[in-house]
Amino acid sequence: NAGVTQTPKFQVLKTGQSMTLQCAQDMNHNSMYWYRQDPGMGLRLIYYSASEGTTDKGEVPNGYNVSRLNKREFSLRLESAAPSQTSVYFCASSGNSGTAQYFGPGTRLTVT
Amino acid sequence: AQSVTQLGSHVSVSEGALVLLRCNYSSSVPPYLFWYVQYPNQGLQLLLKYTTGATLVKGINGFEAEFKKSETSFHLTKPSAHMSDAAEYFCAVSDSGGGADGLTFGKGTHLIIQP
Repeated sequence: NAGVTQTPKFQVLKTGQSMTLQCAQDMNHNSMYWYRQDPGMGLRLIYYSASEGTTDKGEVPNGYNVSRLNKREFSLRLESAAPSQTSVYFCASSGNSGTAQYFGPGTRLTVT
Repeated sequence: AQSVTQLGSHVSVSEGALVLLRCNYSSSVPPYLFWYVQYPNQGLQLLLKYTTGATLVKGINGFEAEFKKSETSFHLTKPSAHMSDAAEYFCAVSDSGGGADGLTFGKGTHLIIQP
């Protein structure tokens, strides 16, 4: 039981390049989330998916797109990376209502 | 919209001393409250949570927190600090009433343990 996995662990992009961050969970959770973590800012929600087939914007969605591929997988895409998107990205999942979210190990992204 | 305030971006205590990390929240509905811990270069690990019921919640590693509705607080405590407790701690709230929208996090408190 791996929990929540994320790939890649590290990535360096040039401004304007695109990439997709992958996330998968093996806990049979309905809901999945993408957050970004910046120094002194805590974690901020980018997008979430309450169930397979649905996605919704969070606090900071601009510049990102998501796909809930199936119940297990939830990807985050940067179409045209900007230096302001340099951050650590965390994926999380949760099960039934009121339960906690479980986090992956994160992807450290640098945009130059 | 809910919000979370963690008082003190850095807290320093001596090994063996009481740990107290403060968290205040705002929410228009009964909240679900969480504390997470993050060790360097790792993801977030759940310490404890409050959903309903008993207001004193016990978590892992000897931590506990008390939900005080009148004070809108959910402070985290541990009677005796260990060197291994040095980490970043995040308080988070969900006021979705059990729905599936995301958590709102505080900015975090870095706990430093002095030998």
